[in-house]
Amino acid sequence: EIVLTQSPATLSLSPGERATLSCRASQTISIYLAWYQQKPGQAPRLLIYDASNRATGIPARFSGSGSGTDFTLTINSLEPEDFAVYYCQQRSNWPPEYSFGQGTKLEIK
Amino acid sequence: QVQLVESGGGLVKPGGSLRLSCAASGFTFSDYYMKWIRQAPGLGLEWISYISNTGKTTYYADSVQGRFTISRDSAKNTLYLEMNSLRVEDTAVYYCVRGGQRATRYYFDYWGQGTLVTVSS
Repeated sequence: EIVLTQSPATLSLSPGERATLSCRASQTISIYLAWYQQKPGQAPRLLIYDASNRATGIPARFSGSGSGTDFTLTINSLEPEDFAVYYCQQRSNWPPEYSFGQGTKLEIK
Repeated sequence: QVQLVESGGGLVKPGGSLRLSCAASGFTFSDYYMKWIRQAPGLGLEWISYISNTGKTTYYADSVQGRFTISRDSAKNTLYLEMNSLRVEDTAVYYCVRGGQRATRYYFDYWGQGTLVTVSS
């Protein structure tokens, strides 16, 4: 089982600042990592797939990087609507089990 | 546009059963793998089940294996989750989620709004 560990658990920043969120896999997963944003009372929304590809309609201030075991989600110039919980996610090859990190809460400082 | 609308959640006693439905629209349902993902109150996301586009292949997380059954009806464009022997720890919002047109696509591009299942005596 591949375990995803996100850090920090909580990140306190102000609008306009840059956020850097980390996700580490317990074993190599190549580039097969996705990122989601979840706001209170809403379903998660896909932001990034294959480590660095933005999903349809996602603003350019969101970017992803990394490969192997270490991945980063960067949000440049935070907007008020970006304060939410962010999850990383991957899938093991066989059997096809999907796992999520425990989440990083991005809160307004 | 793609829409996934879950229904069937509610309050059930431990040991009881419930069937969730997910009505899909805006895409060719029979082309896509589908999943169920749940989120316990205030906690993170947990994948629980997967079904292939044809319905012939299914997988389950260990936490629900033997108790939950995923199925689909392409004529009705509907995904189901039959839940038996429910436990208090199954209390969660259950999301219907679209996968890809191939088994190898691992991420989820569309999510339903979720339906709350509460297991309590």
